Amino acid sequence: KNQVEQSPQSLIILEGKNCTLQCNYTVSPFSNLRWYKQDTGRGPVSLTIMTFSENTKSNGRYTATLDADTKQSSLHITASQLSDSASYICVVSARYGNKLVFGAGTILRVKS
Amino acid sequence: DSGVTQTPKHLITATGQRVTLRCSPRSGDLSVYWYQQSLDQGLQFLIQYYNGEERAKGNILERFSAQQFPDLHSELNLSSLELGDSALYFCASSVGADPYEQYFGPGTRLTVT
Repeated sequence: KNQVEQSPQSLIILEGKNCTLQCNYTVSPFSNLRWYKQDTGRGPVSLTIMTFSENTKSNGRYTATLDADTKQSSLHITASQLSDSASYICVVSARYGNKLVFGAGTILRVKS
Repeated sequence: DSGVTQTPKHLITATGQRVTLRCSPRSGDLSVYWYQQSLDQGLQFLIQYYNGEERAKGNILERFSAQQFPDLHSELNLSSLELGDSALYFCASSVGADPYEQYFGPGTRLTVT
């Protein structure tokens, strides 16, 4: 069964600190993996998209990594800001069938 | 602003009723996707339309239906509403049939009382 699991479920960090969110997947055959940021009550916004051949991608203070062999991805947030408080969702796309498999998300809270 | 618009923003209705949610994709996008997000739950894919035709189906209930019109806007119809249908409903769009680059709308919050 195609699944995406994210950890931790929730996380609280101090402003200015770094953090790393994890995503493990079993989706096969793999097409691409994306990370979304979703503010409470808002639509998700894409942070990064990575295909099989890419193992790292950055978007400002956000850096995503992908290990297609171990089927793991991580999202690293550097120098966190209060505005980073949101849910971060890992989404994996299968190569066939137009299927997107969503993780449950990691809720990040940055406090001052 | 993603360029995807959804109306209404909020909707409150009673059990057993029927509602229609509307979505206009970004200019030039041919695909529209519908998602449901219940409280504290992840996004659940409901259905995709591409250029007016149903392209992919997810966990959409039989009480729910959708369509995409010639001008590419889409409507999601929810009928015989139950309390458990209370959720945020998101629409997303993409240029092609492949959901590689999806842009999400602001969502419609449905409350069934």
